[in-house]
Amino acid sequence: AQKVTQAQTEISVVEKEDVTLDCVYETRDTTYYLFWYKQPPSGELVFLIRRNSFDEQNEISGRYSWNFQKSTSSFNFTITASQVVDSAVYFCALSGGYSTLTFGKGTMLLVSP
Amino acid sequence: GAVVSQHPSWVICKSGTSVKIECRSLDFQATTMFWYRQFPKQSLMLMATSNEGSKATYEQGVEKDKFLINHASLTLSTLTVTSAHPEDSSFYICSALIQGGGNQPQHFGDGTRLSIL
Repeated sequence: AQKVTQAQTEISVVEKEDVTLDCVYETRDTTYYLFWYKQPPSGELVFLIRRNSFDEQNEISGRYSWNFQKSTSSFNFTITASQVVDSAVYFCALSGGYSTLTFGKGTMLLVSP
Repeated sequence: GAVVSQHPSWVICKSGTSVKIECRSLDFQATTMFWYRQFPKQSLMLMATSNEGSKATYEQGVEKDKFLINHASLTLSTLTVTSAHPEDSSFYICSALIQGGGNQPQHFGDGTRLSIL
């Protein structure tokens, strides 16, 4: 069975602070994909990134960066210099061979001015 | 590209009525679509996997007779909540996989907020 754990339920930061959202996963698949999605208050899911299990390179996209470590089964997400518009619920998700997604419980990020 | 349209965005109806939610892939064909439900402050839970031209596969604990799924074409899947009751009030969101798209990620609709009075 697949499992995604986001231990942080809610994080509050002040604008311009850096923040890291943790994600730990469990799977027996050798090939799998990891995702991060953003869900603003309006409800839609915004795709942020997908990594496959064979690519452990860290990735940076603007203020966003991701750290994938297979040894610890973690796929953490860092927002640098956070902004109020970053306030949302962030979901980490895992997909195995059949494309079905298993979501973590989400981390609510509140960025105050 | 890869836009998924979900309709309606909001629906409020009386207890006992049936509600149909549509999920359309606008610029691609989708052999497989997924339906999720999200209760307030909770995660997305997969309800069922919908394959064009065949019966949907429901997750454990999801009532097939209550949540009817039809995927009659490569661009449309519908979820009908039959005889809806207040406990069915939730955020329903669909996603679609591009036909022949290899290992591309799911493309999500914007969701439907269902409120049963």
